[in-house]
Amino acid sequence: NAGVTQTPKFQVLKTGQSMTLQCAQDMNHNSMYWYRQDPGMGLRLIYYSASEGTTDKGEVPNGYNVSRLNKREFSLRLESAAPSQTSVYFCASKPTPAVDQPQHFGDGTRLSIL
Amino acid sequence: DQQVKQNSPSLSVQEGRISILNCDYTNSMFDYFLWYKKYPAEGPTFLISISSIKDKNEDGRFTVFLNKSAKHLSLHIVPSQPGDSAVYFCAASARVSTNAGKSTFGDGTTLTVKP
Repeated sequence: NAGVTQTPKFQVLKTGQSMTLQCAQDMNHNSMYWYRQDPGMGLRLIYYSASEGTTDKGEVPNGYNVSRLNKREFSLRLESAAPSQTSVYFCASKPTPAVDQPQHFGDGTRLSIL
Repeated sequence: DQQVKQNSPSLSVQEGRISILNCDYTNSMFDYFLWYKKYPAEGPTFLISISSIKDKNEDGRFTVFLNKSAKHLSLHIVPSQPGDSAVYFCAASARVSTNAGKSTFGDGTTLTVKP
């Protein structure tokens, strides 16, 4: 059971470089989400896709773009990385946008920007 | 303005005793609440949830209590086990059509259960 797979697991970038974080789920889920977690803080929503073909901004979208490539895949792109984007990034999915369904998370991508 | 607050960054309890983790929220639109558990270097995993139409939900050793008037919920773990040592996140959602199933997370409480 792969669930939600995130690649890469670790990445170091220099300021100004670009990077795409990949996320794929094999549970046939409709809704997918990208979060970031900074030290000592909770998860903050960057972007989400309620269903294939739709994407919307979350709480902290500045500096990021997303692509819902198909039902399985939802990628997050940093066009010009900044040190403030150093964080752990989590992708999550769930069957539908209904609130009473819990999210399934990947194990995260640890991103450092120097 | 943090809408979901977990005011205790850490909690330490002895194995076999009760662990009580607390969560407060400010948004009265929130009507569904979830607890997630997170081990180091892993993603959060769902633990238990509660709807605002209930005041208690139980699943084995885990019970969540909701006090809507106080905008407060708590997670009770009885008895606590060393394997319960993890970070626990409280999350809240609102059942509005535009919400797309989004959850707002607290900052987490690190639980340490000592053998």
